[in-house]
Amino acid sequence: DAKTTQPNSMESNEEEPVHLPCNHSTISGTDYIHWYRQLPSQGPEYVIHGLTSNVNNRMASLAIAEDRKSSTLILHRATLRDAAVYYCILRDDRWANFGNEKLTFGTGTRLTIIP
Amino acid sequence: ETGVTQTPRHLVMGMTNKKSLKCEQHLGHNAMYWYKQSAKKPLELMFVYSLEERVENNSVPSRFSPECPNSSHLFLHLHTLQPEDSALYLCASSQDLGSSYEQYFGPGTRLTVT
Repeated sequence: DAKTTQPNSMESNEEEPVHLPCNHSTISGTDYIHWYRQLPSQGPEYVIHGLTSNVNNRMASLAIAEDRKSSTLILHRATLRDAAVYYCILRDDRWANFGNEKLTFGTGTRLTIIP
Repeated sequence: ETGVTQTPRHLVMGMTNKKSLKCEQHLGHNAMYWYKQSAKKPLELMFVYSLEERVENNSVPSRFSPECPNSSHLFLHLHTLQPEDSALYLCASSQDLGSSYEQYFGPGTRLTVT
């Protein structure tokens, strides 16, 4: 799987937007960009994913660069409950239905929300 | 109940015990997964099931034995574990196999082997 690079930590004020960057310069054309987060003492939680176009859901927005070598997870209005480690991962769709299903988490970005 | 549930949430067992972890998904998904998360180590995929058939086994020791009686339930049977098996065991499900599908995780079972 292609690798991703994220800042180790970020801080944001409560009720302000947060932009979490992810670099994936070796991304292939069949890689989906997934974001998960993990709150302390909880299992990972799916946030959003996309392939080429920007994506929006109730939790966040995903902005994908035109060359797909980077992406940004946008939390529009951070709350204290958004404090977590955020993981940006790539998943190769060429392996669909052939059993290579693992989610490979890197070190992620630890997001701290300041009240 | 909604989402993915796991029981028990915490388990302490001796090395000679036999126990089982249970996972249930209420999402109508076809694929289910067992992961292991140890302190300071990446998430490790253990087993993958699709429509009750095991499709992946990542060289997991035989002291871990999965069972998937139907597409909503997944078990992990444990016997003669080692202290290094202490970890958070996570169950997840997805609509189908494939990287276009997101995985939904349960809260995990915190296992301590003494």
